[in-house]
Amino acid sequence: QQKVQQSPESLIVPEGAMTSLNCTFSDSASQYFAWYRQHSGKAPKALMSIFSNGEKEEGRFTIHLNKASLHFSLHIRDSQPSDSALYLCAVSPSGFASALTFGSGTKVIPCLP
Amino acid sequence: EAAVTQSPRNKVTVTGGNVTLSCRQTNSHNYMYWYRQDTGHGLRLIHYSYGAGNLQIGDVPDGYKATRTTQEDFFLLLELASPSQTSLYFCASSAPTGQNTLYFGAGTRLSVL
Repeated sequence: QQKVQQSPESLIVPEGAMTSLNCTFSDSASQYFAWYRQHSGKAPKALMSIFSNGEKEEGRFTIHLNKASLHFSLHIRDSQPSDSALYLCAVSPSGFASALTFGSGTKVIPCLP
Repeated sequence: EAAVTQSPRNKVTVTGGNVTLSCRQTNSHNYMYWYRQDTGHGLRLIHYSYGAGNLQIGDVPDGYKATRTTQEDFFLLLELASPSQTSLYFCASSAPTGQNTLYFGAGTRLSVL
């Protein structure tokens, strides 16, 4: 059974700063990697995803994947108050027709610089 | 944006009681999922389905049954509820494409006393 672990559990981030969230997975055959964001009291919502090794940037968010290291990460630059949320990483064996296994989440807490 | 509706939004029952959680999606998605969310565990997959009449077992299925009656409707059944099943339950759906994006409902908060 796939194991997905996230670190750190929580993160206090000064407004305007950059931060990194980490996710490790156990199944080397995994092919699809995603980040979801969940604002307090709301449903999780897909943020971005990646299939291949390397980086993918969308606005202030960058996802980096290293399959050999069984690791992927989410980098958030220019932190904003609206980034306050629980960030969940997710992995699946393939890009479609398979359920996602989620990590336990990293809570991002922005603060004044 | 995909629409997934869960009912009820809140439910309180007693130990040993029967509970049915309902989920309807109106986006012609083939795949539907039931997850539970608990602090420290992230989202854990209970059951999922590829289409009407199909059922797949997830990672934490014990104590739960599920039924997919139509493409739109997916139900989660707790026949002998226990306090350990007190949780926030999310239903999600996805389309069978390369981007396995899950669209979540607003959640059902269940308390078993």
